[in-house]
Amino acid sequence: DIQMTQSPSSLSASVGDRVIITCRASHTIGRNLNWYQQKPGKAPKLLICAASSLQGGVPSRFSGSVSGTDFTLTISSLQPEDFATYYCQHSYSAPWTFGQGTKVEIK
Amino acid sequence: EVQLVESGGGLVQPGGSLRLSCAASGFTFSTYWMHWVRQAPGKGLVWVSRINSDGSSTSYADSVKGRFTISRDNAKNTVFLQMNSLRAEDTAVYYCATDKDPGIADNLAYWGQGTLVTVSS
Repeated sequence: DIQMTQSPSSLSASVGDRVIITCRASHTIGRNLNWYQQKPGKAPKLLICAASSLQGGVPSRFSGSVSGTDFTLTISSLQPEDFATYYCQHSYSAPWTFGQGTKVEIK
Repeated sequence: EVQLVESGGGLVQPGGSLRLSCAASGFTFSTYWMHWVRQAPGKGLVWVSRINSDGSSTSYADSVKGRFTISRDNAKNTVFLQMNSLRAEDTAVYYCATDKDPGIADNLAYWGQGTLVTVSS
């Protein structure tokens, strides 16, 4: 099975900061990587699919990139509504797996 | 508007069974793969299972293989998760979810609100 190693597990940041979250796949997965945002008590929300394709309605401050088996989610200027937990997830082959999550907290 | 509504959660004793349902509307259900994802209290997301559009292909996480069965009724726009031999570690909110596009299994664009399963004596 493909494992996804996500880091950091948590971070503290201020409004306006640039935030970078990374995920490393244990095997090659091409661009089959999605990013989700989850707020407490809510279902996850798809932000980015296929490594870098922004979902409709998602602010352009969110972006995704890939280099080999390393994937990055960048929030260019953190906004108050961005404080949440973020997950990566591969869809290369079953079983799909999620990263452990990154909780973005207010500094 | 896509809607996914889960039901069937509740309290069950270890070793017991439970059947979850997810009623879908707002899209052509019979053309979409469907998935179940769970989240234990305070923990991360775990993909559980998926089923293709006509029900002929299924996949499972290792942790539930042999105990859980996913199925669907395209006439009723509903996907099911039959859970047997339940363990305490199966305690979680169970979400059903589906892709952005029909005919493929690529992402989880639409989610239900989740249903809580608690396995405890």
